[in-house]
Amino acid sequence: KQEVTQIPAALSVPEGENLVLNCSFTDSAIYNLQWFRQDPGKGLTSLLLIQSSQREQTSGRLNASLDKSSGRSTLYIAASQPGDSATYLCAVSTGTASKLTFGTGTRLQVTL
Amino acid sequence: SQTIHQWPATLVQPVGSPLSLECTVEGTSNPNLYWYRQAAGRGLQLLFYSVGIGQISSEVPQNLSASRPQDRQFILSSKKLLLSDSGFYLCARQGNDNSPLHFGNGTRLTVT
Repeated sequence: KQEVTQIPAALSVPEGENLVLNCSFTDSAIYNLQWFRQDPGKGLTSLLLIQSSQREQTSGRLNASLDKSSGRSTLYIAASQPGDSATYLCAVSTGTASKLTFGTGTRLQVTL
Repeated sequence: SQTIHQWPATLVQPVGSPLSLECTVEGTSNPNLYWYRQAAGRGLQLLFYSVGIGQISSEVPQNLSASRPQDRQFILSSKKLLLSDSGFYLCARQGNDNSPLHFGNGTRLTVT
């Protein structure tokens, strides 16, 4: 059974700092990995999708890497801003219909 | 457009009452559709997914059921709600197995 762990559970950084969020998964036979952002009381917003054959994906100040063999992914956020404050979740897909297994998230707060 | 409509946004129901949550999606035809539940302090749990009209797969035994009467409509139901059914219910769609998952804004259900 796939298990996804995210460390740290919570993180507070001053504005402008670069930061890394970690995600690990137990079964390396994944289809793809996705990073999401969730604002309080809202649904999830897809940030980046990495296929199993890819090593990284970039979107603006976000960069996600994937090391499938070691069961790890990182989300790098450059020059953090208060608007980046949210919970970040990673999820891995195995099998057909892309059933996702989610981590419990990292709650990020970027302070002024 | 990947718009996903979920309603209602919040719902308070007594134990033993029925439930019907509706999700309609826009965009490409024959999407994969999903119902997830996010309980307080816990990760997202996949409840049901559907790869086509009338095709429903259940991930966990529970008090809930799902139906897909039309290509872009996904309904979550219960005949008699339990206290443990309280949570944040999210509908999601996916164009195909390689595309990102897009979520609606969710329904917060409180069973009293």
